Amino acid sequence: AQSVSQHNHHVILSEAASLELGCNYSYGGTVNLFWYVQYPGQHLQLLLKYFSGDPLVKGIKGFEAEFIKSKFSFNLRKPSVQWSDTAEYFCATGGYNKLIFGAGTRLAVHP
Amino acid sequence: NAGVTQTPKFQVLKTGQSMTLQCAQDMNHNSMYWYRQDPGMGLRLIYYSASEGTTDKGEVPNGYNVSRLNKREFSLRLESAAPSQTSVYFCASSEQGETEAFFGQGTRLTVV
Repeated sequence: AQSVSQHNHHVILSEAASLELGCNYSYGGTVNLFWYVQYPGQHLQLLLKYFSGDPLVKGIKGFEAEFIKSKFSFNLRKPSVQWSDTAEYFCATGGYNKLIFGAGTRLAVHP
Repeated sequence: NAGVTQTPKFQVLKTGQSMTLQCAQDMNHNSMYWYRQDPGMGLRLIYYSASEGTTDKGEVPNGYNVSRLNKREFSLRLESAAPSQTSVYFCASSEQGETEAFFGQGTRLTVV
């Protein structure tokens, strides 16, 4: 069965710090991987996605993620975070006709 | 173009009451989903429908039923609400089962 594991539940950073959020997946078939963001009080929005090709994926708002097949990982990165990046971030995997999400990482960015 | 529309946005139920959460999408998507979101647990899949006329159980289906009424609509029913079903419920749709999902605004349900 497919599953997603996110390493960090809470992350606190200062503005301009670099961000890396871990995500590991477990799925034996063709991998579709996603990062979603949920701002306070809002629904989930797609940050970026990987289906195939270049393992370094660029998303919106300066986010990127790297697919490392040998490590079953799809970590999210941003070189310099802003206060407006305060949100909850979810990694997800698509397979067997459905999307499965990780438990989420709550990011707080302090000015 | 409204995307995914859920109703209601808020609901309070007493234990044992029933209710149906409605969801409709206007993107001509084949797949639709119902998730519940609880603190520290992420989004857990309740039921999904890979195409019109089919439904399947997800990770946490107990206490729920669904109906894929047509390609646009996918409803979630709680037959006898329990306090453990207090949660935020999200409906989502995607072109097909493993592609990018678009989410509704959520329904905050409290069962007392």
